[in-house]
Amino acid sequence: QVQLQESGPGLVKPSETLSLTCTVSGGSISSYYWSWIRQPAGKGLEWIGRIYTSGSTNYNPSLKSRVTMSVDTSKNQFSLKLSSVTAADTAVYYCARDAMADYWGQGTLVTVSS
Amino acid sequence: QPVLTQSSSASASLGSSVKLTCTLSSGHSSYIIAWHQQQPGKAPRYLMKLEGSGSYNKGSGVPDRFSGSSSGADRYLTISNLQSEDEADYYCETWDSNTQVFGGGTKLTVL
Repeated sequence: QVQLQESGPGLVKPSETLSLTCTVSGGSISSYYWSWIRQPAGKGLEWIGRIYTSGSTNYNPSLKSRVTMSVDTSKNQFSLKLSSVTAADTAVYYCARDAMADYWGQGTLVTVSS
Repeated sequence: QPVLTQSSSASASLGSSVKLTCTLSSGHSSYIIAWHQQQPGKAPRYLMKLEGSGSYNKGSGVPDRFSGSSSGADRYLTISNLQSEDEADYYCETWDSNTQVFGGGTKLTVL
């Protein structure tokens, strides 16, 4: 059974960079797209972007200028960096497998505050 | 890019059936979608992939009470014999070569 686990700081200061890693277990990271999705409190799901195991990426146009994703197949991990964060970036961040998100991580709350 | 439209809320009685709708925007009526369930305080859970033909593929462990169907640009999720644990938010999602998009979600209340 594929499992995903997000990790990273739960508190980030305004204007700094949010960094999260998703570790995949129970299966290979190869030959799939891997997505990041976020959800502000009480709101719906927002797709942030995805990365293929070749390193090819697609980003949400509304976040594209601030997002960088990377993948480390040797560690079965992929990562998200979101720069110049503001309070509007406070949300639960999820990682998920493939475009259809057939497996999800449990989510991690990231708060942007000084 | 595609846009997905969902009703914000729905309700149905315990033991009854409910049909939730997700509508694809013009020009995208052939797109495949996925349905996800999010119970209160939990991460979303993948329910199924649903094609325009009405063919669907459920995730592991998804009860038989959940089924999908399609008509034109509309994609449906039907839940039969509603249980209290089905009270949740339901999101549809679609994707293409450049993007992924979620609908706004439907909050289902089991009466």
